[in-house]
Amino acid sequence: DGGITQSPKYLFRKEGQNVTLSCEQNLNHDAMYWYRQDPGQGLRLIYYSQIVNDFQKGDIAEGYSVSREKKESFPLTVTSAQKNPTAFYLCASSSGQGVYRGGNEQFFGPGTRLTVL
Amino acid sequence: KNEVEQSPQNLTAQEGEFITINCSYSVGISALHWLQQHPGGGIVSLFMLSSGKKKHGRLIATINIQEKHSSLHITASHPRDSAVYICAVAGWGSARQLTFGSGTQLTVLP
Repeated sequence: DGGITQSPKYLFRKEGQNVTLSCEQNLNHDAMYWYRQDPGQGLRLIYYSQIVNDFQKGDIAEGYSVSREKKESFPLTVTSAQKNPTAFYLCASSSGQGVYRGGNEQFFGPGTRLTVL
Repeated sequence: KNEVEQSPQNLTAQEGEFITINCSYSVGISALHWLQQHPGGGIVSLFMLSSGKKKHGRLIATINIQEKHSSLHITASHPRDSAVYICAVAGWGSARQLTFGSGTQLTVLP
């Protein structure tokens, strides 16, 4: 089955520790995204990558880092510099091909709920 | 930056009712997406539209580009439709990022 996987589903960390969230897709998509979701707020873009070995900051990149060494994988590291890391994190991908107008449909992973104690 | 507003924030309906969720945005867009998020957190894309109307089963999405407004309708609602419905808009440009509304929590009672 094609899709996006995120692991783990729930993650607990102590304050001050870095933590890496996994995102893998087998849809052969070029573009991948990381979003953060907080209660009562819309999803906010952390980082995105349109192609391997390239990524761009989104609206709330401070305290986060990413890498895109393989097309299938786009891990997100939540560093100790992120002041309020407890949130629900969603990874998404899209084909990034063809349609310029309107972007492309994004496919979402199941999410990782991070709690910092 | 586009401002995306959804209404209502919360909606409770009886099974079988016709439901409408609204989305308005402030800046012209190239397309609008409707997404569904279930209690477990996973998100599914329902529609992507740039004009007119689309229908899939009991779901209908419409958009009025001039008025910067979209609606999502659910006919003959069912408890399994209970979820958060999210509107997101795509601007113009190569990055294809989306700006999201805060969502509408729909609860359909049996």
